[in-house]
Amino acid sequence: KAGVTQTPRYLIKTRGQQVTLSCSPISGHRSVSWYQQTPGQGLQFLFEYFSETQRNKGNFPGRFSGRQFSNSRSEMNVSTLELGDSALYLCASAERAGGHAEQYFGPGTRLTVT
Amino acid sequence: GESVGLHLPTLSVQEGDNSIINCAYSNSASDYFIWYKQESGKGPQFIIDIRSNMDKRQGQRVTVLLNKTVKHLSLQIAATQPGDSAVYFCAERPTGNQFYFGTGTSLTVIP
Repeated sequence: KAGVTQTPRYLIKTRGQQVTLSCSPISGHRSVSWYQQTPGQGLQFLFEYFSETQRNKGNFPGRFSGRQFSNSRSEMNVSTLELGDSALYLCASAERAGGHAEQYFGPGTRLTVT
Repeated sequence: GESVGLHLPTLSVQEGDNSIINCAYSNSASDYFIWYKQESGKGPQFIIDIRSNMDKRQGQRVTVLLNKTVKHLSLQIAATQPGDSAVYFCAERPTGNQFYFGTGTSLTVIP
């Protein structure tokens, strides 16, 4: 079974731009969660989608948004990029909502904002 | 040891020795904890979990110990191997289904 895939793997953007990241979950997984990982803050939860509905949301500003499609693929968008948005963005998929112990992470998208 | 928000500590061990990685969590109401392993260039990987009604749980070559009195979690890896070299971090769940993650400890296994 193929793992979680994320595209692109690396991205460089300029302050003020917006970016869209994509995540394809493991086949059969309907939950997709997004995380931001930085050296100083560690891993921080952004949001979780299950069956196209946002179930949980972390403490991030409204510039961070996401969506999930009927095939469970998910995208996250960050608008008006700031330097502090530079991070590794990880998505994780699971069969059921809130299935943290059964989450499988993708390799991440490394976003650099200049 | 690791704590949420601090700089990444490091730990070096000889191959074959046991490793102990520590984590100080912040919320006494946390009822569920997970340890993750993250290798360079990869996403985190679930290792083992423990609920607050337990103080010890064993997996394959790994043991997690939970001390709720001092809000401390540890991960013990037996007979550490070079493939164990990675960043290890813990996660706690204070309320609902929201998790909070530590920044991690970098483990280097010396052959």
